[in-house]
Amino acid sequence: GAVVSQHPSWVICKSGTSVKIECRSLDFQATTMFWYRQFPKQSLMLMATSNEGSKATYEQGVEKDKFLINHASLTLSTLTVTSAHPEDSSFYICSAFDRVSAYNSPLHFGNGTRLTVT
Amino acid sequence: RKEVEQDPGPFNVPEGATVAFNCTYSNSASQSFFWYRQDCRKEPKLLMSVYSSGNEDGRFTAQLNRASQYISLLIRDSKLSDSATYLCVVDHFGNEKLTFGTGTRLTIIP
Repeated sequence: GAVVSQHPSWVICKSGTSVKIECRSLDFQATTMFWYRQFPKQSLMLMATSNEGSKATYEQGVEKDKFLINHASLTLSTLTVTSAHPEDSSFYICSAFDRVSAYNSPLHFGNGTRLTVT
Repeated sequence: RKEVEQDPGPFNVPEGATVAFNCTYSNSASQSFFWYRQDCRKEPKLLMSVYSSGNEDGRFTAQLNRASQYISLLIRDSKLSDSATYLCVVDHFGNEKLTFGTGTRLTIIP
């Protein structure tokens, strides 16, 4: 079945540094990918919609200059957390839509990245 | 009112019991509905889609009530492995942009 690979699974970085997270669709093409963030005991919150070949669409309250998204190919989207601060520590998850299997499984999720900023 | 609302629980249920969750949604034009399961520190995994006619998959039954704008999930003969957080998910516009409920935490007790 469709698989989405997310890397790294976890990362610890110092405050002020930038962290890049990759999201790849392994056996299907994804023109659209989504980036979510989940704080402990809270729901997944959509941060932005990543569109292949065009600018990402950010949800209200998400700083586009802080969370840089690049979707340069049909199988890869990256999220860069710039100048990370401790409050950015969270679980970041990407997802991609496989139109072929859309009826049975709308979105395929990456395994998430746990970011800890010290 | 939240777009998708769930009782966060926790629900502590003895093994073998039947448990049901409801989820309400605010947008009457919502297109698609799903139940996802999320284990601690893991990504969500699709449990089942929710169809207008209702659907069943083994011990799991999902129902949609458009008039009252809620969906439900019923788990029969619960197993220890059913312990997880169950997320109600709604696709409001049919554009894959899903809205997640806060999740209902379920613990099955031996």
